[in-house]
Amino acid sequence: EVQLVESGGGQVQPGGSLRLSCAVSGFTVNTKYMSWVRQAPGKGLEWVSVIDTSGSTYYAASVKGRFTISRDNSKNTLSLQMNSLRAEDTAVYHCVRGPANQWPIDYWGQGTLVTVSS
Amino acid sequence: DIVMTQSPDSLALSLGERATINCKSSQSVLYRSNNKNYLAWYQQKPGQPPKLLIYWASTRESGVPDRFSGSGSGTDFTLTINTLQAEDVALYYCHQYYTTPYTFGQGTMLEIK
Repeated sequence: EVQLVESGGGQVQPGGSLRLSCAVSGFTVNTKYMSWVRQAPGKGLEWVSVIDTSGSTYYAASVKGRFTISRDNSKNTLSLQMNSLRAEDTAVYHCVRGPANQWPIDYWGQGTLVTVSS
Repeated sequence: DIVMTQSPDSLALSLGERATINCKSSQSVLYRSNNKNYLAWYQQKPGQPPKLLIYWASTRESGVPDRFSGSGSGTDFTLTINTLQAEDVALYYCHQYYTTPYTFGQGTMLEIK
């Protein structure tokens, strides 16, 4: 059974940093494209970043240069290092499997809440 | 960026009725080499992550009731829910995964009248 479990959320001051982790079970993280998708309170869905099977990474313009996606094959985890956080980064961050070429996002974690506030 | 625009923003119908949600993309999401639209629909209930309903614009995900169907190609897409059930009350999102940045529609709230 596929499971994605996020951790690492919390409250941080503007300009601060936070690292999110996603524990993956049911498949090997380096065999699938993996993304982070966020949802601000009461708002819609926003794709943040993707890492493909070759390790190439892509980012939304709103986070490029501040966020870094990575994976640890030995621990089967996905991570998101978030620096220079802003109030507008406040959201629930979901770890998701996909999208990959013709295949959509098919599994979502419950998410972890990040609040950027002084 | 591909902008996804859903209509309506909200919808209130009676049990047993048919719901129709539209999604328009600012450019085509049809991948010509395999003739597949890189367009998915998700259902999100309060306190839960989104759930995949439809991909390739019209292929139902395993386990999704057949009252859910998707149609359309290129830039115009529709999610239809036949015979509305109480458990269908949710937010519905369309999503293009044709190119980065991947984008979502703003969501359509479906309620029971």
